[in-house]
Amino acid sequence: GAVVSQHPSRVICKSGTSVKIECRSLDFQATTMFWYRQFPKQSLMLMATSNEGSKATYEQGVEKDKFLINHASLTLSTLTVTSAHPEDSSFYICSARDPAYQETQYFGPGTRLLVL
Amino acid sequence: AQSVTQLDSHVSVSEGTPVLLRCNYSSSYSPSLFWYVQHPNKGLQLLLKYTSAATLVKGIYGFEAEFKKSETSFHLTKPSAHMSDAAEYFCVFNTNAGKSTFGDGTTLTVKP
Repeated sequence: GAVVSQHPSRVICKSGTSVKIECRSLDFQATTMFWYRQFPKQSLMLMATSNEGSKATYEQGVEKDKFLINHASLTLSTLTVTSAHPEDSSFYICSARDPAYQETQYFGPGTRLLVL
Repeated sequence: AQSVTQLDSHVSVSEGTPVLLRCNYSSSYSPSLFWYVQHPNKGLQLLLKYTSAATLVKGIYGFEAEFKKSETSFHLTKPSAHMSDAAEYFCVFNTNAGKSTFGDGTTLTVKP
């Protein structure tokens, strides 16, 4: 199946700083990528849909100024957590839809963010 | 509204015995349904998918699922559990808007 990578896999930062997480589709071009957040022992919560060349679509309750999404190319989407606070600590997972298999999302391995 | 419900939050089986993870869906149209597995601190891996072709879908690691429209179900099964099957399993529904709706997940424990 298609491969999606995320970088970094784990990051620790101080409160008030910003953190950028990258999501790459390695062997296909993804016009649409998704960003999820997962709390311990819980399911994935969709944060936003990232569309190449246009603004991201945020889910209700997700602050777009807090979680900046950029999808500048067909293989890269970035999520920047701005002015991070301890409550932003979570597991962030991206996924990409392969145009050849419209229905299927391929997930990255996730990024564990810890804000001190 | 489209939704998916995983009926069991935890399932525990002995190694070598069958696995059944239950998923029901609610949809006004023919759905696309998926099962993903997540091992601790890992991303999600696609096990199998149903997209209106054969109702019995075979996936990786010996898992399979049967789409039953009359029961609005898409249960995941495996004839014989292995220790490495211990993980979190998610039933996922793709809406016609292109988004994915996740079930709450089922934690599978496999006892030696």
